[in-house]
Amino acid sequence: RKEVEQDPGPFNVPEGATVAFNCTYSNSASQSFFWYRQDCRKEPKLLMSVYSSGNEDGRFTAQLNRASQYISLLIRDSKLSDSATYLCVVNQAGTALIFGKGTTLSVSS
Amino acid sequence: GAGVSQSPRYKVAKRGQDVALRCDPISGHVSLFWYQQALGQGPEFLTYFQNEAQLDKSGLPSDRFFAERPEGSVSTLKIQRTQQEDSAVYLCASSFDGTGGYTEAFFGQGTRLTVV
Repeated sequence: RKEVEQDPGPFNVPEGATVAFNCTYSNSASQSFFWYRQDCRKEPKLLMSVYSSGNEDGRFTAQLNRASQYISLLIRDSKLSDSATYLCVVNQAGTALIFGKGTTLSVSS
Repeated sequence: GAGVSQSPRYKVAKRGQDVALRCDPISGHVSLFWYQQALGQGPEFLTYFQNEAQLDKSGLPSDRFFAERPEGSVSTLKIQRTQQEDSAVYLCASSFDGTGGYTEAFFGQGTRLTVV
């Protein structure tokens, strides 16, 4: 079983839609959690960190459920510019970041 | 520049050739990571350095892959006797945090390796 698993996607939504991505991780010792965004043929870039209390950054909300080993990302009022691949990332202290396969989002007008 | 720099950006190698990929991390960043990304996949972990120490190389797919960071800054990923299955984008990332991940990891633009 892969350490980090994500919704297979792709997600095709109209502008203005709300879309949610889910991610599960297998290592209960994981301590840090992130969502990265990767545009086509570009490098991944940090979108937001994920905290146990949940956190929001504008239209983006991330939540963590440690008991279920589950992470989510909610995007409200989708924009064309949100089209990208969203990568769920976890790690433990002293180890590398482990990436999920990614979920592709395509927002259309 | 201020970001992570990788060279070359593109490399075409004949099967059996050795290649060396270079990564210049952000100055002062303690942690350095190498990832391999195949088309349509997420980045797969290869190896991780904290300063000059290679703390984890469990992701290297075979003994043809070797990485070093001798002075704790620039790192080189070497692939010997390249095979077609080595074709991928090789991403390097660095982060300030010495424990490897509590702070943001910044990625280079990657080296796209094509083995023919």
